[in-house]
Amino acid sequence: NAGVTQTPKFRILKIGQSMTLQCTQDMNHNYMYWYRQDPGMGLKLIYYSVGAGITDKGEVPNGYNVSRSTTEDFPLRLELAAPSQTSVYFCASSYSVWWGGYYPSSSSGQFFGPGTRLTVL
Amino acid sequence: DAKTTQPNSMESNEEEPVHLPCNHSTISGTDYIHWYRQLPSQGPEYVIHGLTSNVNNRMASLAIAEDRKSSTLILHRATLRDAAVYYCILRDSGGTSYGKLTFGQGTILTVHP
Repeated sequence: NAGVTQTPKFRILKIGQSMTLQCTQDMNHNYMYWYRQDPGMGLKLIYYSVGAGITDKGEVPNGYNVSRSTTEDFPLRLELAAPSQTSVYFCASSYSVWWGGYYPSSSSGQFFGPGTRLTVL
Repeated sequence: DAKTTQPNSMESNEEEPVHLPCNHSTISGTDYIHWYRQLPSQGPEYVIHGLTSNVNNRMASLAIAEDRKSSTLILHRATLRDAAVYYCILRDSGGTSYGKLTFGQGTILTVHP
C-alpha cells in the first residue's frame, strides 16, 4: 500500500491565483482530513470528511474548499491565494466502524501524507 | 475542547528510557488520549492512544493516571530516530466531534548519541 499520497510536493503561487492540492489514500479509510502547519506551530484542521459526499469545516476553513466524490480522493481547493495561506499542508486518513450509538466500534489512528509546501508571493 | 499541557522541550541520551509528560486536567469522560510524533520535514505519525488503562505497543507505552488528569508517554530505549516533536492530544471518542484532532505546540525531544 502507498498509504496517503499528496501532490505536488512544492508549489509557488502568486497572489490571486488558484490551485488544487491532491490527496489520495489506498487504505479504504472512510475519514479524511486536511491540516495546515505554519512554521513552528502545531497543525490546524481545515476540513474533514466522514465519507464520500460528506464534508465539514474544521478550525480554519476560510479561503479553502473541499469535495469528496470517492472514498480515495479528497482534493483541497485554494481560491484567490493570499500570503497568509503560505504553509505546509497535510492530508490524513483514518477509519472508524459504527454499529450504532455514540461510540465507534473500531477505529484507527490518523495516517498522514508527506505534505505539500505552498508559498504565496 | 479540553486542552493539554506539555513541556516545550526535553532531552535524552540514546539507549535510555524517556518519559514524556502531559497534563489534561479538564479531560472529559469520553476523551481518548492520543499521542502523535512528527519527525523533521515529515507528516505526523500515530504513536499510541488509550482511555483509562495503560497501553503498550511496539513503539511505546502509555501510562494514564488513575484520575485521568495526566498521562506519560514512555519510550523504553530512545534512539536517534526518536528525535521529534511529540503531541499529546485529547480526542472525543464519539458523536459529532469524533475524528477531530487539535494539535498543540508539543514537546521537542532531543536525543543525544
